[in-house]
Amino acid sequence: DTGVSQDPRHKITKRGQNVTFRCDPISEHNRLYWYRQTLGQGPEFLTYFQNEAQLEKSRLLSDRFSAERPKGSFSTLEIQRTEQGDSAMYLCASSWSGAEAFFGQGTRLTVV
Amino acid sequence: SQQGEEDPQALSIQEGENATMNCSYKTSINNLQWYRQNSGRGLVHLILIRSNEREKHSGRLRVTLDTSKKSSSLLITASRAADTASYFCATAEEANNLFFGTGTRLTVIP
Repeated sequence: DTGVSQDPRHKITKRGQNVTFRCDPISEHNRLYWYRQTLGQGPEFLTYFQNEAQLEKSRLLSDRFSAERPKGSFSTLEIQRTEQGDSAMYLCASSWSGAEAFFGQGTRLTVV
Repeated sequence: SQQGEEDPQALSIQEGENATMNCSYKTSINNLQWYRQNSGRGLVHLILIRSNEREKHSGRLRVTLDTSKKSSSLLITASRAADTASYFCATAEEANNLFFGTGTRLTVIP
């Protein structure tokens, strides 16, 4: 296993379109996190899973965002009706309970 | 939301000098972690310190934790140009979520 992988690395979409990102965590990790990061800021928490259960979702996350982790393996993050303010780097991380998190390289979303 | 707050926001030093970054947080934690991020890249884990630990070392890194003051510091000794990056603290709360601070941008001048 080479680490956390995210796909795609870059996505350009028109405002109003839906986009979906995928994250493949390190296989033995039970926790998976999604973050959003804009230039010059720290990663902003979006949601996290323990196995297949979504345990917490940021209050900042609008209803246009949804995440799944079927069977506790890979995860998808969908953004519906994208807005220009959604332009950011979307980061995925995985960890074992109570241990350090390993991050993927991120998906850079540009909404035009 | 971001729980931690790093200080300073930016730090510029000469190669060979030590760099100290501080992190303050607000709630009870299970552990505190430090990460490095090179421009446009993902985050790399540096060190984890548990709430019952006060100091931890890893190579040129030294981390301290003061739970009574809800603060931590990261010291990088004998800095190198390759240490130029943004450094973030992240706090793992009771529910074991992981919240990041705003980061310190370190520049090491060769």
